[in-house]
Amino acid sequence: QKEVEQDPGPLSVPEGAIVSLNCTYSNSAFQYFMWYRQYSRKGPELLMYTYSSGNKEDGRFTAQVDKSSKYISLFIRDSQPSDSATYLCAMRRNQAGTALIFGKGTTLSVSS
Amino acid sequence: GAVVSQHPSWVICKSGTSVKIECRSLDFQATTMFWYRQFPKQSLMLMATSNEGSKATYEQGVEKDKFLINHASLTLSTLTVTSAHPEDSSFYICSARPPSGRNQETQYFGPGTRLLVL
Repeated sequence: QKEVEQDPGPLSVPEGAIVSLNCTYSNSAFQYFMWYRQYSRKGPELLMYTYSSGNKEDGRFTAQVDKSSKYISLFIRDSQPSDSATYLCAMRRNQAGTALIFGKGTTLSVSS
Repeated sequence: GAVVSQHPSWVICKSGTSVKIECRSLDFQATTMFWYRQFPKQSLMLMATSNEGSKATYEQGVEKDKFLINHASLTLSTLTVTSAHPEDSSFYICSARPPSGRNQETQYFGPGTRLLVL
């Protein structure tokens, strides 16, 4: 079993839809959880960053972490065509110097 | 957010030549930088962790003599692909960890360098 699992999609939705992206993980030591957005042929861009469990909201984006289920989610409200990209979840342990472990990424396409 | 740059953005070279890629953190000092490789439709694969003033730590399966990393200053790390071969063609991305107090637990990525070895 991989440490981080993420459905690669592709996921296609109409403009204005609510999008739900998810990752599961197996290592209970993960404490820091991030979502990155990557446009084609570009480097990943940090979207959301969460420590431990709970919700975090930033504009149209909401990140949720459920450590008991080892499950994290990113919700996008009122999706726009400009949201079309690959979304990568990433996480790491609470230990200085450890690297991020990434999911494979989910490709999202929002049509106008 | 923090800004990380990479140069060049793309490079085409002949098999057997060496290619150097630069990664710079433009608005913060980064004691730790990371180098990743990404193949088409695949996730980022960590190659090595670069710490300023010390030797890089390579992930299992990554040849340290082929992928030379130098973290000479707090704002610059370089990756040199030596004797490049077509199978080294990939998208190379660096990231930098900001200093404490500024989302220190995450990383900021450069725009990537696309390498094509003919």
